[in-house]
Amino acid sequence: AQSVTQLGSHVSVSEGALVLLRCNYSSSVPPYLFWYVQYPNQGLQLLLKYTSAATLVKGINGFEAEFKKSETSFHLTKPSAHMSDAAEYFCAVSVSGTYKYIFGTGTRLKVLA
Amino acid sequence: GAVVSQHPSWVICKSGTSVKIECRSLDFQATTMFWYRQFPKQSLMLMATSNEGSKATYEQGVEKDKFLINHASLTLSTLTVTSAHPEDSSFYICSAKGLEVAYEQYFGPGTRLTVT
Repeated sequence: AQSVTQLGSHVSVSEGALVLLRCNYSSSVPPYLFWYVQYPNQGLQLLLKYTSAATLVKGINGFEAEFKKSETSFHLTKPSAHMSDAAEYFCAVSVSGTYKYIFGTGTRLKVLA
Repeated sequence: GAVVSQHPSWVICKSGTSVKIECRSLDFQATTMFWYRQFPKQSLMLMATSNEGSKATYEQGVEKDKFLINHASLTLSTLTVTSAHPEDSSFYICSAKGLEVAYEQYFGPGTRLTVT
């Protein structure tokens, strides 16, 4: 069975500091992986996705993620945090066959001035 | 491209009444739509999967008779919360999957339901 684990339900960084949000997956087949951002009372916005092409994936708003099969990880990074990055971030895996999504529990990012 | 809308964005209803939420794919045909529920400060929980023209498949623990899902066309799915109670208050999000990119879902903006 496929699953997703997000370590750290809350992460705080200073403005301008590196953002690192962790996501580990479990899958017996090559996974499709996604990072979404959610602002209060809004839906999900796709940041980036891994679809078995390049292992380093660049997304919107300066975010990127690296797929590491050996570590079963797909961590999200951004070199320099901005106040507008404060939001909830979800990692998700698309279940092979059904294409249902399994979401991680989410990480709330706080950016300190 | 791949835009999904939801209507209404926010609804308040009285306990015991029913409320319908619409999910539309605006620029693509959605063979499959998914309905999620999200409690405050929590992740998304998949409620059901609906395929156009067939009955929805509900996840374990989701009451079929309370949450009626209809996927009558390739661009519209509806979720009806029947005999709503305050515990049904939540944020409901739909997503849609098209034919061209099988593994990716496109999400609607969500509907905030408050039952008083």
